Amino acid sequence: DVKVTQSSRYLVKRTGEKVFLECVQDMDHENMFWYRQDPGLGLRLIYFSYDVKMKEKGDIPEGYSVSREKKERFSLILESASTNQTSMYLCASSFMGGPSYEQYFGPGTRLTVT
Amino acid sequence: TQLLEQSPQFLSIQEGENLTVYCNSSSVFSSLQWYRQEPGEGPVLLVTVVTGGEVKKLKRLTFQFGDARKDSSLHITAAQPGDTGLYLCAGNTGGFKTIFGAGTRLFVKA
Repeated sequence: DVKVTQSSRYLVKRTGEKVFLECVQDMDHENMFWYRQDPGLGLRLIYFSYDVKMKEKGDIPEGYSVSREKKERFSLILESASTNQTSMYLCASSFMGGPSYEQYFGPGTRLTVT
Repeated sequence: TQLLEQSPQFLSIQEGENLTVYCNSSSVFSSLQWYRQEPGEGPVLLVTVVTGGEVKKLKRLTFQFGDARKDSSLHITAAQPGDTGLYLCAGNTGGFKTIFGAGTRLFVKA
């Protein structure tokens, strides 16, 4: 079974703090993704990476950055946390190839910025 | 902008009832996935459909991909409380990005 783990299930940070969210997958997947999930808005893509050191902006990259130094690890960084970044953050990975890009998700990190 | 619209947004039914959830778009997808998400957890993949008109069954769940590959439906027969969760459809057009619907929140009462 594919396993995607995220460093924290719950996180509380103060406005202006730098926040690191870590994601690790154990299936040698090429693609990794960071989403945020908000009620009524569904999943919105923040950034994705299709290879080590490669990154592409998603639909809502403002206020975020990412790092992928190793294939299995994809980090999301909030440079200066703000209250509007309070959300559920989901990491996912997928295998590149075939007609489908089935994504495997981690359990999520619920971040609260106060 | 590509959009995937799911309906209904919320569904509350009694155990044993049947239900259908719809996922519609104006875009053509090379594949479409259905996920189920329980509170406090990440989405879990249920099925992938890739061929227009394709029907897949997973126990009491039946998934159908529209002939034109723009829409899909999920039908649950004899719903059980364990089916409670958020059902998400997601479409891929062949690139790296996947478009997610906002989800249908299902609550099955015992």
